Amino acid sequence: EAGVTQFPSHSVIEKGQTVTLRCDPISGHDNLYWYRRVMGKEIKFLLHFVKESKQDESGMPNNRFLAERTGGTYSTLKVQPAELEDSGVYFCASSPIDSNQPQHFGDGTRLSIL
Amino acid sequence: SQKIEQNSEALNIQEGKTATLTCNYTNYSPAYLQWYRQDPGRGPVFLLLIRENEKEKRKERLKVTFDTTLKQSLFHITASQPADSATYLCALDGSGGSYIPTFGRGTSLIVHP
Repeated sequence: EAGVTQFPSHSVIEKGQTVTLRCDPISGHDNLYWYRRVMGKEIKFLLHFVKESKQDESGMPNNRFLAERTGGTYSTLKVQPAELEDSGVYFCASSPIDSNQPQHFGDGTRLSIL
Repeated sequence: SQKIEQNSEALNIQEGKTATLTCNYTNYSPAYLQWYRQDPGRGPVFLLLIRENEKEKRKERLKVTFDTTLKQSLFHITASQPADSATYLCALDGSGGSYIPTFGRGTSLIVHP
């Protein structure tokens, strides 16, 4: 089975620009999560989708971040406008609807804001 | 707020020895604790989950213990191999029993041949 895939693997943009990250979860996984790791810090939760609905977005840093999961399949995370402190690695994870199942992570998108 | 502490210094051991990594936590009573492995440039990979009512859990060469009195989990890799070299992350469940993990910063393990 294909794992969680994220695109792009790297993105370098200037402050003030817009970037959209994409995550394709494992087929059939209703739960989809976004996380971020800022350099030197721990991985932190951003938000959680169940199918197309946002279940928990308590970790979203501010309104410059917009996540969508139209149709309950792939998800996008848009940062607009990007700021220097948004640099980091953004991970996506998915799991089946059974909350006892572990999460499967993608390899992340490394975002650098110049 | 809950705090997770993992040794920030890399652990260097010789092949064949047992590696032991420590995860301490404060200001929280987790319902369960997870361990993940992360290789450079890759995402975390789930290894083991241990619940608060379990003292020990094993999977092949891996063993995890969970001491809720000491607020500590130990992660052991027996007969370590160079391929075990990676960063190992400890994660607690979220508040209220949420299955969204709260991660520690991880400890790097280097196994020398």
